[in-house]
Amino acid sequence: KQEVTQIPAALSVPEGENLVLNCSFTDSAIYNLQWFRQDPGKGLTSLLLIQSSQREQTSGRLNASLDKSSGRSTLYIAASQPGDSATYLCAAGDSGGSNYKLTFGKGTLLTVNP
Amino acid sequence: GAGVSQSPSNKVTEKGKDVELRCDPISGHTALYWYRQSLGQGLEFLIYFQGNSAPDKSGLPSDRFSAERTGGSVSTLTIQRTQQEDSAVYLCASRIAGEQYFGPGTRLTVT
Repeated sequence: KQEVTQIPAALSVPEGENLVLNCSFTDSAIYNLQWFRQDPGKGLTSLLLIQSSQREQTSGRLNASLDKSSGRSTLYIAASQPGDSATYLCAAGDSGGSNYKLTFGKGTLLTVNP
Repeated sequence: GAGVSQSPSNKVTEKGKDVELRCDPISGHTALYWYRQSLGQGLEFLIYFQGNSAPDKSGLPSDRFSAERTGGSVSTLTIQRTQQEDSAVYLCASRIAGEQYFGPGTRLTVT
């Protein structure tokens, strides 16, 4: 059974800092790895999706990497802004049985202080 | 809007009552998922629909939970005889090309 762990559980940084969020998964046979953002009381917004054959994806100030063999992914946020404050969720896409269901970590709560 | 929509956004019900939660996926997305987000538990997979195939119900926590998808589009998640532990946010997602798109969720509170 896939298990996804995110470290740290919470992170507080001053505005402008670069930061890294970590995600690890126990079963390397994943279909893809997806990073989401969740604002309080809201649904999930997809940030980046990395296919199992890829090593990284970039969107603006965000860069996500994937190392399947070691069961790790990182989300790098450059020049953080107060508007980046949210919970960041990592999810591993299941490749078995072709249902592609996502197994989620419990998230990292990020606070960027002005 | 072209996103996934869910209704109601909030539902408060008494223990023992039945509830129905609705999901309208993105048009053209053949795959639909239900997840549950409980305090302290994170997001858990409940059920998956793909086209006309039999649904994958492996994540449903008990036989009080059921779901259907009519006409390959709208889905309804039904919880019978609700219990306090059913209180959570229920999220629906539809998928295309491996990427899942989530709705805003329904916050269910069982009193």
